[in-house]
Amino acid sequence: TQLLEQSPQFLSIQEGENLTVYCNSSSVFSSLQWYRQEPGEGPVLLVTVVTGGEVKKLKRLTFQFGDARKDSSLHITAAQPGDTGLYLCAGAIPTGNQFYFGTGTSLTVIP
Amino acid sequence: DTGVSQNPRHKITKRGQNVTFRCDPISEHNRLYWYRQTLGQGPEFLTYFQNEAQLEKSRLLSDRFSAERPKGSFSTLEIQRTEQGDSAMYLCASSHWGGGEKLFFGSGTQLSVL
Repeated sequence: TQLLEQSPQFLSIQEGENLTVYCNSSSVFSSLQWYRQEPGEGPVLLVTVVTGGEVKKLKRLTFQFGDARKDSSLHITAAQPGDTGLYLCAGAIPTGNQFYFGTGTSLTVIP
Repeated sequence: DTGVSQNPRHKITKRGQNVTFRCDPISEHNRLYWYRQTLGQGPEFLTYFQNEAQLEKSRLLSDRFSAERPKGSFSTLEIQRTEQGDSAMYLCASSHWGGGEKLFFGSGTQLSVL
């Protein structure tokens, strides 16, 4: 059973387009992280959000944590081929000590 | 900081054989996690250690799986009597708990059970 569901599962877009990836749960998280993973490698942390409603920007990437701390979104502006990869959200539950990963969104940006 | 190191990168084995993977975390990190990941899916939690103590183990983890972190440094994950369903990428991550939780992952060990 996945605590975190991501949508869409697959996304293929043209270079320059914008996109949004969603991470949803019925559980409350004390913090939520976004990772990007390339084939044959481990996930690499992009950002951590902690406060409900928090928005963080990392160049062309904008991350938002839902007000109730149950969901999050990742928005990419003007996607580039280098953005291609598997995007993963991961949440830490308040009473636990480990991160639960989402189902993943595989993004392909076509030049 | 040399990052998290996992060995081997790839392992091919026959069904029924035992396999062992090693993870060397970032040296000052006190937490070490093992995850399993199948193609196109998110990592699935297996177990984690704080120093040498194994604090949590997934209920989904078969008794054929065992992990150790004998001196609070490197860790090993052993799978006994491998099955084809064990084929996956096994990822290790480390973190410094209390320092703003950030997981640093290794490149993983890709297991193929024939």
